[in-house]
Amino acid sequence: GAVVSQHPSRVICKSGTSVKIECRSLDFQATTMFWYRQFPKQSLMLMATSNEGSKATYEQGVEKDKFLINHASLTLSTLTVASAHPEDSSFYICSAADPAYTDTQYFGPGTRLTVL
Amino acid sequence: SQQGEEDPQALSIQEGENATMNCSYKTSINNLQWYRQNSGRGLVHLILIRSNEREKHSGRLRVTLDTSKKSSSLLITASRAADTASYFCATEANTGGFKTIFGAGTRLFVKA
Repeated sequence: GAVVSQHPSRVICKSGTSVKIECRSLDFQATTMFWYRQFPKQSLMLMATSNEGSKATYEQGVEKDKFLINHASLTLSTLTVASAHPEDSSFYICSAADPAYTDTQYFGPGTRLTVL
Repeated sequence: SQQGEEDPQALSIQEGENATMNCSYKTSINNLQWYRQNSGRGLVHLILIRSNEREKHSGRLRVTLDTSKKSSSLLITASRAADTASYFCATEANTGGFKTIFGAGTRLFVKA
């Protein structure tokens, strides 16, 4: 099956710093990528949908200036958590899809962000 | 906002027993998918069922879909300790945009 990677898998940072998380589709071109966050023992909450070459569409309640998403190529999307604070600590998961060919999303392994 | 609701929230069974998890959703969908997640890990796609399908099997998994009731069930037969994980349903709404919304999940614990 298709493979999606995320980097880093785990990051610990100080409050106020910005953190960038990469999501790559390794063996297919992902015209659409999704970013989710998951708090402990909770479900995945969709944060935003990004289409290659256009601005991301954010879900209600998600601050676009806080969670900056760039999808500059068909294989890479990045999520930057700007000026991270402890409440941003969470598990961030991306998924990638090529709707022209399949209705299956392929999920990355996730990134554990801890803000001290 | 979450579309899917799952029950039970948690389920504890003995190895060898069957586990049934249910999922309900609110809007029309193109398809419904079930995923598995081990603690602190990424998601594993289990099965996809389309809105025009009623039942699907994959190994020990059986998924049903009732679009009139907007509900789905996942049955794991002859459970094993390794099946211990959280299970989520996820729906792709019939509104375009290929957006997937996850249910709250069921935490399954299979005792050896």
